[in-house]
Amino acid sequence: GAVVSQHPSRVICKSGTSVKIECRSLDFQATTMFWYRQFPKQSLMLMATSNEGSKATYEQGVEKDKFLINHASLTLSTLTVTSAHPEDSSFYICSARLQGRYQPQHFGDGTRLSIL
Amino acid sequence: QQPVQSPQAVILREGEDAVINCSSSKALYSVHWYRQKHGEAPVFLMILLKGGEQKGHEKISASFNEKKQQSSLYLTASQLSYSGTYFCGTEGYGQNFVFGPGTRLSVLP
Repeated sequence: GAVVSQHPSRVICKSGTSVKIECRSLDFQATTMFWYRQFPKQSLMLMATSNEGSKATYEQGVEKDKFLINHASLTLSTLTVTSAHPEDSSFYICSARLQGRYQPQHFGDGTRLSIL
Repeated sequence: QQPVQSPQAVILREGEDAVINCSSSKALYSVHWYRQKHGEAPVFLMILLKGGEQKGHEKISASFNEKKQQSSLYLTASQLSYSGTYFCGTEGYGQNFVFGPGTRLSVLP
C-alpha cells in the first residue's frame, strides 16, 4: 500500500528557530501533497496544497512567508516554519495522494512541534 | 465548507453498535472516512464515490446518499481497538477536500 514517511516526529526548539519538516512518499509518486495543522481535540486544518514543480497553494489565513513549502520532486515535499514562535506549536501532518480524482489521502505520522 | 458530523462524541461498551453521520450543504462526489488515534496520524478507512454506494471494512461499513449529501459510518460489534476520532472528508463540485470536525468514539470493556 501507499506509504508516506514524515520526519522528524518531534521537535523542541527555541523561539526564533526555523524548523524543516520532510514528507516523503516511499512507494508511489505523489504529484500533490497536503500539509495540515492540528490543535488538540480539533480537526485537521489544511494549510496548503503542494504541487510538484510549482508554487504551493495556501489556504486563507496561512502566511506563505511563515510556512515555506517546497515540492522539488514527485516523492518529497518540505515545510519550513520560519522564525518559529510559541504560537506555532502544534501537530503538523502531511499527506500524499495518487493522481486521480477519487484517490484517498495517505498520511505521514505527523510532527509534534514545540517552541519554547 | 466543512461538513457536519454527528454525534460529537459517543461512548460504547465492547460489542455494541454505533452510527456516525456526516452531512454537507454542498453537492458531493466523494466521501472519505478516516480514524485517528490519540497522538497518531489519521488512517484511511474507506472512500465512497457513488450515490447509494455502500462499502465494508471488517465490521465497519458506510453508505453514501448522494442526493441527500450525507454519509453514515456503521460500526458493528465494536471492539476496543475501534476507539479514536473518526473524521469524514468530503469532496464536491467546485469544492476542495475538507475534513469534518470529527466524532470521538470511546469503546469501554
